[in-house]
Amino acid sequence: EAQVTQNPRYLITVTGKKLTVTCSQNMNHEYMSWYRQDPGLGLRQIYYSMNVEVTDKGDVPEGYKVSRKEKRNFPLILESPSPNQTSLYFCASRDYGGQETQYFGPGTRLLVL
Amino acid sequence: RKEVEQDPGPFNVPEGATVAFNCTYSNSASQSFFWYRQDCRKEPKLLMSVYSSGNEDGRFTAQLNRASQYISLLIRDSKLSDSATYLCVERNQGGKLIFGQGTELSVKP
Repeated sequence: EAQVTQNPRYLITVTGKKLTVTCSQNMNHEYMSWYRQDPGLGLRQIYYSMNVEVTDKGDVPEGYKVSRKEKRNFPLILESPSPNQTSLYFCASRDYGGQETQYFGPGTRLLVL
Repeated sequence: RKEVEQDPGPFNVPEGATVAFNCTYSNSASQSFFWYRQDCRKEPKLLMSVYSSGNEDGRFTAQLNRASQYISLLIRDSKLSDSATYLCVERNQGGKLIFGQGTELSVKP
């Protein structure tokens, strides 16, 4: 079954404690993204990657890091989380080009105290 | 001005009603548009792509008006299960997907 998986699904942490949210896709997609979704602001892209070892900033990259060492994995790293990073995070993947469908992971709810 | 704008709603309609959502976009060079559906705090899923000639999928019809830079989604014979948030999405020349805030639909018995 084609899917994007994220872990953890729910996380409560404290300010400054480094965390990583993993993302994996089994569709051999080149393009992967991370979004955050906040009420009234919609989905905003944090980082994206067009292929292995190729990553770039999206619209709201501050406070986040990513890596793309393998095609299937695209972890999101918060080195020093702050309360304004409390949000719902989605990982997504798709082939690059054309009318391709973008598939989203199930989301990670993060609360930073 | 936001790149993709939608009326956030909520739209409250009875079962069986016909409802239409509009979405405007600012980049006249964008070529591809989509409607995604998002159930309460779950992941968005592709509902349908929007083609210049318009396209229909069962009770759903999507249209693109390039001259006025808007796209629309029409839902006929609304079902309770249509209750969700509908996201208008533009794909720009660089391949980036730009999401609107979403329009909330609530279908009541």
